[in-house]
Amino acid sequence: KAGVTQTPRYLIKTRGQQVTLSCSPISGHRSVSWYQQTPGQGLQFLFEYFSETQRNKGNFPGRFSGRQFSNSRSEMNVSTLELGDSALYLCASSTDGQATNEKLFFGSGTQLSVL
Amino acid sequence: GQQLNQSPQSMFIQEGEDVSMNCTSSSIFNTWLWYKQDPGEGPVLLIALYKAGELTSNGRLTAQFGITRKDSFLNISASIPSDVGIYFCAGTTGTASKLTFGTGTRLQVTL
Repeated sequence: KAGVTQTPRYLIKTRGQQVTLSCSPISGHRSVSWYQQTPGQGLQFLFEYFSETQRNKGNFPGRFSGRQFSNSRSEMNVSTLELGDSALYLCASSTDGQATNEKLFFGSGTQLSVL
Repeated sequence: GQQLNQSPQSMFIQEGEDVSMNCTSSSIFNTWLWYKQDPGEGPVLLIALYKAGELTSNGRLTAQFGITRKDSFLNISASIPSDVGIYFCAGTTGTASKLTFGTGTRLQVTL
């Protein structure tokens, strides 16, 4: 079974631009979550999508948004980029993300650098 | 955002030594997970714990879910060079998809 696939692996953008990151979950997984990882703040939960609907949301500004398609693939978008948005963005998938005994599997991430 | 307190922050050990790290929280968690992250990669799940007091092993790794549900520890026995990486604890009070992560323990193994 293929793992969680994230594209692109690396991105360089400038302040004020917007960016879209893509995630393909493990086949059969319907829940997709996004996390931001920075040296200062560690791993922080952004949001979770299930059946094309945002089901959970972390404490990030509205510049961070996402969506999920009918095939469970997900995209996240960051608008009006700031220097502090430079981070590794990780996508994770699970079967349905609700049962407490589910396991979350992560992709390799997209390293975003904002100049 | 909320983070779990993980210690130690970093460890330098010799190959063959045992390693112990722990994670504490002021909140009760109903699931504890331990992940390992290699440079440039996403976290990989090592062990999942679902019940207070549960002790689970995965090869040379052993983890326990504290009976207060506010802590967990991970032990690695007879460390080898490929154990190098950052180890994260993570917990959830609700759905499995919304994890709170620890600050990480960076492990270095010398020959």
